[in-house]
Amino acid sequence: EIVMTQSPATLSVSPGERATLSCRASQSISSNLAWYQQKPGQAPRLLIYGASTRATGIPARFSGSGSGTEFTLTISSLQSEDFAVYYCQQYHNWPPRYTFGQGTKLEIK
Amino acid sequence: EVQLVQSGAEVRKPGESLKISCKVSGYSFTKYWIGWVRQLPGKGLEWMGIFYPGDPDTRYSPSFQGQVTISADKSISTAFLQWSSLRASDTAMYYCARHGADHDAFDIWGQGTMVTVSS
Repeated sequence: EIVMTQSPATLSVSPGERATLSCRASQSISSNLAWYQQKPGQAPRLLIYGASTRATGIPARFSGSGSGTEFTLTISSLQSEDFAVYYCQQYHNWPPRYTFGQGTKLEIK
Repeated sequence: EVQLVQSGAEVRKPGESLKISCKVSGYSFTKYWIGWVRQLPGKGLEWMGIFYPGDPDTRYSPSFQGQVTISADKSISTAFLQWSSLRASDTAMYYCARHGADHDAFDIWGQGTMVTVSS
């Protein structure tokens, strides 16, 4: 099973500043990585797929990068609505054994 | 508009069976993989498995193989997740979600079904 490790577990950032979240895969997953945002009491929302492609309707301040085993989600200028938990997910292998990271909580500093 | 609408919250006793549903609309049900994700209270997301209504074909995470059954009824564009004998440890929020057209990330999600198993 591919293990996804996110860091940090909690990130405190002020509104208007940049946030950088990391995700590492235990083996190469090429660019088969997605990022999701989850707010309390809500279902997750897809932000990024293919490591760097924004999903429909996602603001340009969200960007993804990386390939292989190291990935980054960057939020360029934090808005109040961006404070949430973020998960990465790999979808590399077949038969599918897709796995999520444990999440990074982005909180207001 | 593409929508996945899940059935309502359930409360069951240990050992009981349960089947929850996910009704889709706004797209061709048989052309996309649909999956289930578990979220234990206060915890992260766990990929349970996926189902392709067009073949049909089902793939499970090893962690959930034999513990749940994923199925669908094409005639009503609905996917199901079922348990034959619930445990207290099955208490969680369960989400259905659809794969994208050209990738295997979940691009559309249901609102979630809370399952509580308690004696």
